[in-house]
Amino acid sequence: QQQVKQSPQSLIVQKGGIPIINCAYENTAFDYFPWYQQFPGKGPALLIAIRPDVSEKKEGRFTISFNKSAKQFSLHIMDSQPGDSATYFCAASRNSGGYQKVTFGTGTKLQVIP
Amino acid sequence: NAGVTQTPKFRVLKTGQSMTLLCAQDMNHEYMYWYRQDPGMGLRLIHYSVGEGTTAKGEVPDGYNVSRLKKQNFLLGLESAAPSQTSVYFCASSYRRGASNQPQHFGDGTRLSIL
Repeated sequence: QQQVKQSPQSLIVQKGGIPIINCAYENTAFDYFPWYQQFPGKGPALLIAIRPDVSEKKEGRFTISFNKSAKQFSLHIMDSQPGDSATYFCAASRNSGGYQKVTFGTGTKLQVIP
Repeated sequence: NAGVTQTPKFRVLKTGQSMTLLCAQDMNHEYMYWYRQDPGMGLRLIHYSVGEGTTAKGEVPDGYNVSRLKKQNFLLGLESAAPSQTSVYFCASSYRRGASNQPQHFGDGTRLSIL
């Protein structure tokens, strides 16, 4: 299975809240789990990434939590701001025939209300 | 530092017309990719290239062709456009050697409508 299932599809939070986006995968061959942030009219940009030998990674207000046994990982945004309003994609990648095969989730549209 | 540049940004085609989308990167990346993004479906890989002169099919290659004559450029062609190819197309690039922990760098997309 190559799917990465992402939820929720959309999310509205108040400024200062902590939105949480969840992803689940099936293929245990995945060994790199990036999150991308996409603003309207722009391409996805790498936000933060984690490898499966780490259970948590923080970069500023963004935290990835990783549960290898459950094959799940999530993105938490602390003290969310209106500027965080964007679409977030989780992804999982693995080496496949000498190139990086990346499977993307279907995206979560986040709106942070002032 | 331009990164990944896609041209054109917008295009409207009639069914059956052909066109080429251009992607250029200035980061000396070996790997380049073409994705399409449709509502509710995330990003799906069309074709990819692991180096100059080499291309391979991705998840949804039908109706598209690609070429990588120069390391910095990756072209996506539609020979006979169909309405089902209406989408936003993204090009991406990354470092080589198959190391899976290499982030992909994306362009800002080409919004293509087929009437």
